[in-house]
Amino acid sequence: DTEVTQTPKHLVMGMTNKKSLKCEQHMGHRAMYWYKQKAKKPPELMFVYSYEKLSINESVPSRFSPECPNSSLLNLHLHALQPEDSALYLCASSSFDRGSGNTIYFGEGSWLTVV
Amino acid sequence: GESVGLHLPTLSVQEGDNSIINCAYSNSASDYFIWYKQESGKGPQFIIDIRSNMDKRQGQRVTVLLNKTVKHLSLQIAATQPGDSAVYFCAESIQGGSEKLVFGKGTKLTVNP
Repeated sequence: DTEVTQTPKHLVMGMTNKKSLKCEQHMGHRAMYWYKQKAKKPPELMFVYSYEKLSINESVPSRFSPECPNSSLLNLHLHALQPEDSALYLCASSSFDRGSGNTIYFGEGSWLTVV
Repeated sequence: GESVGLHLPTLSVQEGDNSIINCAYSNSASDYFIWYKQESGKGPQFIIDIRSNMDKRQGQRVTVLLNKTVKHLSLQIAATQPGDSAVYFCAESIQGGSEKLVFGKGTKLTVNP
């Protein structure tokens, strides 16, 4: 079972709403990720936080705003989304140990539907 | 550039047979590879990994083979079971480099009883 916990599992929001996705891990990992996955496609990287600092932003639109309150928590704030943003949003974490390989562990995802 | 692809998008096997899922990668600098299993409605689940200083690594019923000469990766599943039905992704990264993990397109494995 995954040790990366995501809430909510399902979210339906209107295009004018503001909502947040939450992620938590207690593995002591120092890197946390947000991925987006459309149906029948591989996960696509959105953001990476390393040691609580944003290290990678894959040119994600500003309507997605990540936040890392501490080393165990990662949020994704959503505002003014479009229907095409509907997807499975996956949170992941890794020890980011450059000496032993960067195995990334995923949560079960939050299914987002924008109406 | 960095990209990982797969030779076959779908694979159908009989229960009890061995399965082989293939993956091609293009970034010769990639030195760490992971196979993930994703069941319907769930997140990707780590199966097995391999570093570029190895050609083969075995786990429980799974074996990963790495051929750096032709930039090819494969996942072998022994005695495939219905519970193995899922989409399988290979992914690559560079140790000591970016935290980025690049995924291949995925292969859907269907195990027939």
